[in-house]
Parts: sequence; structure tokens; C-alpha cells
Amino acid sequence: DIVMTQSPDSLAVSLGERATINCKSSQSVSHSSNNKNYLGWYQQKPGQPPKLLIYWASTRESGVPDRFSGSGSGTDFTLTISSLQAEDVAVYYCQQYYNTPITFGQGTRLEIK
Amino acid sequence: QVQLVESGGGVVQPGGSLTLSCAASGFTFNSYAMHWVRQAPGKGLEWVALISYDGSNKYYADSVKGRFTISRDNSKNTLYLQMNSLRSEDTTMYYCAKARGTQYYYSVDVWGQGTTVTVSS
Repeated sequence: DIVMTQSPDSLAVSLGERATINCKSSQSVSHSSNNKNYLGWYQQKPGQPPKLLIYWASTRESGVPDRFSGSGSGTDFTLTISSLQAEDVAVYYCQQYYNTPITFGQGTRLEIK
Repeated sequence: QVQLVESGGGVVQPGGSLTLSCAASGFTFNSYAMHWVRQAPGKGLEWVALISYDGSNKYYADSVKGRFTISRDNSKNTLYLQMNSLRSEDTTMYYCAKARGTQYYYSVDVWGQGTTVTVSS
């Protein structure tokens, strides 16, 4: 199984500042045939289901604000929120869909400092 | 709009059975793979099972393999999860979720609101 490890487990950032969440996979989730990274990022607010933010590691889902961006390749990935807004308080998860079983990171709780 | 509505959750005794349903609307159901994902209160996301767009491929987490069965009825736009031999550790919220493509190698772009299963005597 591919293990997804996020860091940090929790993060407090001031409004308007940059937030960075890291995700590391235990093996590459990049397919050599198409150079795609099978990695998604999700945001989950209290009492709500998760919401897709980023897929293919760096493609922003329709309707997601452009302050959210994804980067990385192979085994190391990053979700960046360029200027934190109050509504961004949530738990963020990375997910690999390169292989089954599909696996998620343990989550990173983002709060306002 | 695109919508997934789960039903069938409830309280069941250990060793019992339950079937969850997920009614899909607002998209071409038979063109997309579908997942079940679960989440215990205050815990992270755990993938449970996936079925390809046409039902020909099914995949399961080790924790449910042999006990749970995923299926779909494309004529009714409905996804199912038959759960047998339920254990206390199966107590959690179950989400139905739509993949962005036909098989497992796509992210999830739509989630239902979830249905709660409680396994207790």
C-alpha cells in the first residue's frame, strides 16, 4: 500500500499570510507514460464532506480560488494557500489515486493565528 | 446540479448486515467510477471501495474485503454498499463519492453528505 504522510499535523497562520502543507508518498505516484502525478488535495470544513481543491497534483478544480495552488512530483507534494482567508480554516487531506488501495494522508488542521 | 444522496444508515448489532444506497443526479452516472469513503468522528478519511463506470471492476480496502460488496444499478442511477459481518470498528460516517473518470485512477470531485452506521449491541 502507498502510505501518504502529511506535515505538519496542524498549522496556525495569520490572515493574509502564506500557508504551506506538505505531503509525501511512500512510493512514486507519477506515471511515466503520461507524466501525470496521481495526487489530489481536499479541504474539509467542520460538519461538511470533503471538497476537491487540486487534482493531478497541480490542476485547480473549477471554482476554487486561485490562492490555492499545488506543486510537486514523484513522492513530494505541496499545497500552498498564498494569502490565508478566514474561510480557509479547515482540515486538508492529500490523496493518491495511482493505485489501489486508494489512500489519504492523515490530514493537516489549518487555523488562524 | 450534481448531487449524491446516501441513505440506509442506522444502528445494527455486531455480526449484522446493512445496505447503503446512494442516489445520483445531475450527471451521466454510467460514465463515472464511484467510491465509498468512510470517516469516524474526529478522524481522517478511509477509502472503502470503488466500482468502475460499468461495474466490471471492483476494488476494496483490506479492512472490508470479504465482508462488504459494492455494486451499482446504472438504470436507476444508484450505488450500493452491502455490508455483512459488521464490527464495532465499522461504526462511522459513510460517504458516497464520484470519481472524475471511469476507473480508480481519477480524483474524487463530488461527495455526498454521508450516512451514519452504528454497530452496537
